[in-house]
Amino acid sequence: QVELQESGPGLVKPSETLSLTCTVSGGSVSTYYWSWIRQSPGKGLEWIGYIYYSGSTNFNPSLKSRVTMSIDTSRNQFSLNLTSVTAADTAVYYCARVTYKNYFDYWGQGTLVTVSS
Amino acid sequence: DIQMTQSPSSLSASVGDRVTITCRASQSISVYLSWYQVKPGKAPKLLIYAASSLQSGVPSRFSGSGSGTDFTLTISSLQPGDFATYYCQQNYNTLLTFGQGTRLEIK
Repeated sequence: QVELQESGPGLVKPSETLSLTCTVSGGSVSTYYWSWIRQSPGKGLEWIGYIYYSGSTNFNPSLKSRVTMSIDTSRNQFSLNLTSVTAADTAVYYCARVTYKNYFDYWGQGTLVTVSS
Repeated sequence: DIQMTQSPSSLSASVGDRVTITCRASQSISVYLSWYQVKPGKAPKLLIYAASSLQSGVPSRFSGSGSGTDFTLTISSLQPGDFATYYCQQNYNTLLTFGQGTRLEIK
């Protein structure tokens, strides 16, 4: 059974960088694509982007200028960096596995990140 | 972007009820449509992929149908654990988008 677990600071100051890591167990990050998705308070799900083990990426154009993702096959982890955050970036951030048909078959339970001074 | 519109946005129902949630795409997406169940503090769960294929381990009371622009998720007999928020998602193109969600509440 594939399991994903998000980790990272729960509080980030405005204008700083949000950094999260997703640790995968029961499967290898060297297969499939791996994604980040967020849910702002009272709003729906927003896809942020995904990364393949080769390092190739695909990002939501609305966030592309502020997003980077990386993958560490030796630790079986992948990461998200979101720069220049504002209160609008406050959300529960989920990591998920992406199938080759571009749907999400395994998810983490999410981590709340609050942007506040 | 392909816009996904769900209806209703919220729904009250009782255990044992049959419930249908609708998702409409702003352009044809063939059968590239998935459904998810989201509960606070829990990992979201894939229910349906390719519009009508039941994900392994998901109870058969969940079913999906549709193609093109109009899709439905049906729960044939609501169980207590089914009260959650449901989202559709299109995977027709590489800009992946979700519906705004349908919150299913206990009547």
